[in-house]
Amino acid sequence: EAQVTQNPRYLITVTGKKLTVTCSQNMNHEYMSWYRQDPGLGLRQIYYSMNVEVTDKGDVPEGYKVSRKEKRNFPLILESPSPNQTSLYFCASGGYQETQYFGPGTRLLVL
Amino acid sequence: GENVEQHPSTLSVQEGDSAVIKCTYSDSASNYFPWYKQELGKGPQLIIDIRSNVGEKKDQRIAVTLNKTAKHFSLHITETQPEDSAVYFCAATRSSYKLIFGSGTRLLVRP
Repeated sequence: EAQVTQNPRYLITVTGKKLTVTCSQNMNHEYMSWYRQDPGLGLRQIYYSMNVEVTDKGDVPEGYKVSRKEKRNFPLILESPSPNQTSLYFCASGGYQETQYFGPGTRLLVL
Repeated sequence: GENVEQHPSTLSVQEGDSAVIKCTYSDSASNYFPWYKQELGKGPQLIIDIRSNVGEKKDQRIAVTLNKTAKHFSLHITETQPEDSAVYFCAATRSSYKLIFGSGTRLLVRP
């Protein structure tokens, strides 16, 4: 089944404790992206990657890191999480001006 | 950069009626306009998209119209059903790698 998977789905952590949210796709897509979703703000892009070892900032990259060492994986790293990073995070993959497939989301709470 | 405004933020309709959601964009170079549906607890899913060389596109009960001069595009759902209840997001982009989303519309279809 074609899909984007994210782990964990739910995470509660404390300020400053490094965490990684994994994202994996099995559709051989070159393009992958991370978004955060906050009430009233829609989805805002954090980082995106057009291919292995090629990443670029989206609209809200501060406080986040990404890496793309393999085509199928695109982890999101929070080196020192803060409460304002409490949000619902989505990973997506797709092609140029084609359907983007979203993962099920990761709900993060930073205390 | 691109900015996308979406209205209304909430919409309640009677089953069988039509629903219309409108979006305006700021970047005249944007050329790809997808619409996503997000059901509770799930990631957004593409339902229809339109490119700037087309004025209207239809898929069964769903249609999208684009007015490039006015820089706005709309989602039309006819003969609404309870399963249409969800949050709908419009988006716009010139590059596809940087989708800019509207803030979302919560549609409620009353039985």
